[in-house]
Amino acid sequence: AQSVTQLGSHVSVSEGALVLLRCNYSSSVPPYLFWYVQYPNQGLQLLLKYTSAATLVKGINGFEAEFKKSETSFHLTKPSAHMSDAAEYFCAVSDNFGNEKLTFGTGTRLTIIP
Amino acid sequence: DAGVTQSPTHLIKTRGQQVTLRCSPKSGHDTVSWYQQALGQGPQFIFQYYEEEERQRGNFPDRFSGHQFPNYSSELNVNALLLGDSALYLCASSLEDRATDTQYFGPGTRLTVL
Repeated sequence: AQSVTQLGSHVSVSEGALVLLRCNYSSSVPPYLFWYVQYPNQGLQLLLKYTSAATLVKGINGFEAEFKKSETSFHLTKPSAHMSDAAEYFCAVSDNFGNEKLTFGTGTRLTIIP
Repeated sequence: DAGVTQSPTHLIKTRGQQVTLRCSPKSGHDTVSWYQQALGQGPQFIFQYYEEEERQRGNFPDRFSGHQFPNYSSELNVNALLLGDSALYLCASSLEDRATDTQYFGPGTRLTVL
């Protein structure tokens, strides 16, 4: 079964600094990988997804992620943090296709320091 | 274009009671998935419905059941509520056409069991 591990349950960065949120996956087949963001008291919003096309994936709000098969990683980055980026971020992997069961990590809470 | 909607927003029940949560998928979507998100955790897959049938199921007891209607909307029923059922219940919709590979989430229903 697929699984994801998010390293760091809390990450704090200064406004304008690089954001790096880590995600490692375990999968016996080529995975479909996703990053979702959750703002307080809201549902999940898709940031970006990897579906076996380009390994560098660009998403919304200036975020991007790189699929590295050799490292089984799919880390999320943003060059310059903004106060509005403060939220909970979840990495997820799909068993087969993106519209089937998603297995989520435990999440990383991102805090932006003014 | 209406997104995924869920009702009610909040719900308070007591142990042993039964609850029904409702979800209307994004316009044009035909597949509905349900997830449970306990406080401080990532969402966990409960089950998925397509063509009014349960297609996939996660590791949840039979107390959790669902239904999908001809208009693709869905209900999640939980019987004999336990304190541990307190969580945010998220509905996600998608298209069976796997080329889309994306699930869209609703805002969730916050269930509190006392």
